[in-house]
Parts: sequence; C-alpha cells; structure tokens
Amino acid sequence: EPEVTQTPSHQVTQMGQEVILRCVPISNHLYFYWYRQILGQKVEFLVSFYNNEISEKSEIFDDQFSVERPDGSNFTLKIRSTKLEDSAMYFCASRESGLQETQYFGPGTRLLVL
Amino acid sequence: AQSVTQLGSHVSVSEGALVLLRCNYSSSVPPYLFWYVQYPNQGLQLLLKYTTGATLVKGINGFEAEFKKSETSFHLTKPSAHMSDAAEYFCARGAGGFKTIFGAGTRLFVKA
Repeated sequence: EPEVTQTPSHQVTQMGQEVILRCVPISNHLYFYWYRQILGQKVEFLVSFYNNEISEKSEIFDDQFSVERPDGSNFTLKIRSTKLEDSAMYFCASRESGLQETQYFGPGTRLLVL
Repeated sequence: AQSVTQLGSHVSVSEGALVLLRCNYSSSVPPYLFWYVQYPNQGLQLLLKYTTGATLVKGINGFEAEFKKSETSFHLTKPSAHMSDAAEYFCARGAGGFKTIFGAGTRLFVKA
C-alpha cells in the first residue's frame, strides 16, 4: 500500500540554525500538508499546499517557515532560524482530492532544538 | 469557529471491557469526521471516517463510531478492549481549505 514517507526520523539542531524536513507524498495525491505536534499536545495544522502554492496557512506558519515542492515528488518544510519552541514532531500528510478523501500521514520527524 | 472537543484526556479500562472515547464537534453543517490512533513514537493511523451515508462507521481493529447529528457527536467505541489498544486517540474533522482540525486527544490505558 502506498504511504507517505518522511526524512529524517529525528533531527537535533542548535537554536538559530536552518532545518529542512523532507516528505515524499503518495504519488497521485494533489494536496499536501504539514502539521506539528508539540510533546504532549494536540496535532496542529501548519500549512496546506496545492497546485504549487500555499492554499492556507495557520498563524503558527510565520515568515520563518516555508514550503516547497522542488521536484514533483518531494515536499519540504524549511525553518530558517529555529527556536527552542520549534521542538516538536512534524507530520507531513497528503490527500488525493476532495474534502472527504482520507488524509494520509507520514511517520513524522521529531525535531529537537537545543 | 470549527472545533473538535474530546472529553477526557485519559481513559482507563480493563482488558475485555467496553471502550468509549467521546468526541463532539462544533458546526452548523455536518462535517467529515475521523478518528486517528497514535501509538508511542509513531505517526497517525486512520481508524475510521465518516463522510456521508450510514451513520455507524466501522473501522480497523474492531473500532466503530456513530455520527449523531442531533448531539453533534462522533464517539468511538470498541466492545472489548485489548492490551494492544493502549494508545492516543484523536478525533478530527475536515475543515475549510481541506485541512484537518484535531481534538486534544485521549490517551487510552488498558489494565490487565
């Protein structure tokens, strides 16, 4: 069964450093998402991406964040200058089409900012 | 605002007992609803979803949920808990812009 994959599974970085989290969505999917889950808290929407542009973003997704689909298969989340509070599990998700379609989640990248 | 409320951050049941995890949503229009399970240090796995049609939805691992529009609820149940059901469960809804809004989660503990 097709699945969303994410790399790396874990990343440790120093505050102020840039990180890029990578995702490979399911191949025929059209909508792509990033979510964040701070330890012990709920999963929060960050951004959605469709037709090579951001379709919606939350207030969490400030100028330090950016997303890109550089080559038609990867979907990346960049954090330009990481802060301690960026430490979280980051989930990528993709959906084929339509609001009722299932959103498939990747296994997540656990980011720790020191 | 569209939201999802899960009643009880922690639920503890004995093995073999009924599992009931509560979820209510706020909306004037019936949304698409989902239950996800998250095992320790793993990602989110879809248990079941409600879109349209039959209000009793069956999912994987023996779980089911019933959509009740009059109560704006989508509670998750399983007749007999198993030790392997211990996990975090998230109720979620489809929202405008095709994103998903999650509840705060309910951690299920299963006692031997």
